[in-house]
Amino acid sequence: TQLLEQSPQFLSIQEGENLTVYCNSSSVFSSLQWYRQEPGEGPVLLVTVVTGGEVKKLKRLTFQFGDARKDSSLHITAAQPGDTGLYLCAGEGGGTSYGKLTFGQGTILTVHP
Amino acid sequence: DAGITQSPRYKITETGRQVTLMCHQTWSHSYMFWYRQDLGHGLRLIYYSAAADITDKGEVPDGYVVSRSKTENFPLTLESATRSQTSVYFCASSEGRGGQPQHFGDGTRLSIL
Repeated sequence: TQLLEQSPQFLSIQEGENLTVYCNSSSVFSSLQWYRQEPGEGPVLLVTVVTGGEVKKLKRLTFQFGDARKDSSLHITAAQPGDTGLYLCAGEGGGTSYGKLTFGQGTILTVHP
Repeated sequence: DAGITQSPRYKITETGRQVTLMCHQTWSHSYMFWYRQDLGHGLRLIYYSAAADITDKGEVPDGYVVSRSKTENFPLTLESATRSQTSVYFCASSEGRGGQPQHFGDGTRLSIL
């Protein structure tokens, strides 16, 4: 069974601060996805990283996939109240797990004005 | 409109009763998934389907039954509901493997008394 440990579980910061969310595993993933979820809605994909060492930027959000494809991070620069939400990482395994996602526990981010 | 819809959005039932959650997608995606979301556990896969008439167990399948007679529908049945099955249930679909994003419905909040 593949596990993804996501940290921190809760993050409460002031507008303008920077933050990083981590996802770690002992398993190798063929790809790693990051989702954001608003209350009462389903998760929505932010980005997919597939190559070890890959870095993707989405405005103030920077996503990185570890060289060994076992870990990933999400960095937000100058957080805004609109960034508030639940962030989830999800890894796609290989072999018989291909196509299935293993989710981390999630990080609830609150950005105060 | 194209998309993925779940019904009902809210359901209250009693222990021992059978309940079916519906999921319908209009994209003709091959893959469909059922997850449950509980605080501290992120999203856990219950069952998934790679195509019509092909289903397989996920991480937490006990007490649940699925079927997929048509590509667009993927109902989830709790045969004899228990309090531990109180949760928010999400259905998702994707085009397939290899980093394809999963598209989620807005969830069904199920309470079992």
